[in-house]
Amino acid sequence: QVQLVESGGGVVQPGGSLRLSCAASGFTFSTYGMHWVRQAPGKGLESVSFIRFDGSNKYYGDSVKGRFSISRDNSKNTLFLQMNSLRVEDTAVYYCAQDDGLLLIQWGRGTLVTVTS
Amino acid sequence: EIVLTQSPATLSLSPGERATLSCRASQSVRNYVAWYQQKPGQAPRLLIYDASNRATGIPARFSGSGSGTDFTLTISSLEPEDFGVYYCQQRSNWFTFGGGTKVEIK
Repeated sequence: QVQLVESGGGVVQPGGSLRLSCAASGFTFSTYGMHWVRQAPGKGLESVSFIRFDGSNKYYGDSVKGRFSISRDNSKNTLFLQMNSLRVEDTAVYYCAQDDGLLLIQWGRGTLVTVTS
Repeated sequence: EIVLTQSPATLSLSPGERATLSCRASQSVRNYVAWYQQKPGQAPRLLIYDASNRATGIPARFSGSGSGTDFTLTISSLEPEDFGVYYCQQRSNWFTFGGGTKVEIK
């Protein structure tokens, strides 16, 4: 069965950096686009970033553009999110999700990022 | 950006009752609306796609309808495991989520 396991979250000061990873299994990772979606405490869902199956196209939400960078290693079935210049408002649970035509068909359990001084 | 407005914000119902959730788009999204369920402490799960198609393994008590700008998710008879937050999502023009409707036990 499909498994998506996020890691790399933690507590960081404003201005700091974190790199999230998402280990995928149970499907042919190299043939699917992948998303990062976040959810601030008590809030709704926000699209953060998307990458095509081959890494040829990337999308970023306005709130993270220029600060976050998405990438993938298809040889290791792993998705990444490099987060720089973190802000308090980036505090959230970050989910990776498998894409099927902009449907998010499978989700990981998420990893919590807390930005605080 | 297409804005999705969900109503009501909270729905208080008892097990066995019918739940009707609404999602309105700021412009036509044809039938490209999906619904997700999120239980406390869990990731969202895809329920319905393209307005009315149930995802794999989703019980028949969940149904979706609508087109254009107005969409509805109906749960015909609430089971205890159905309580949680429901989000609609459009994929007609990139994708965006609605703000969610919480279905709580009355």
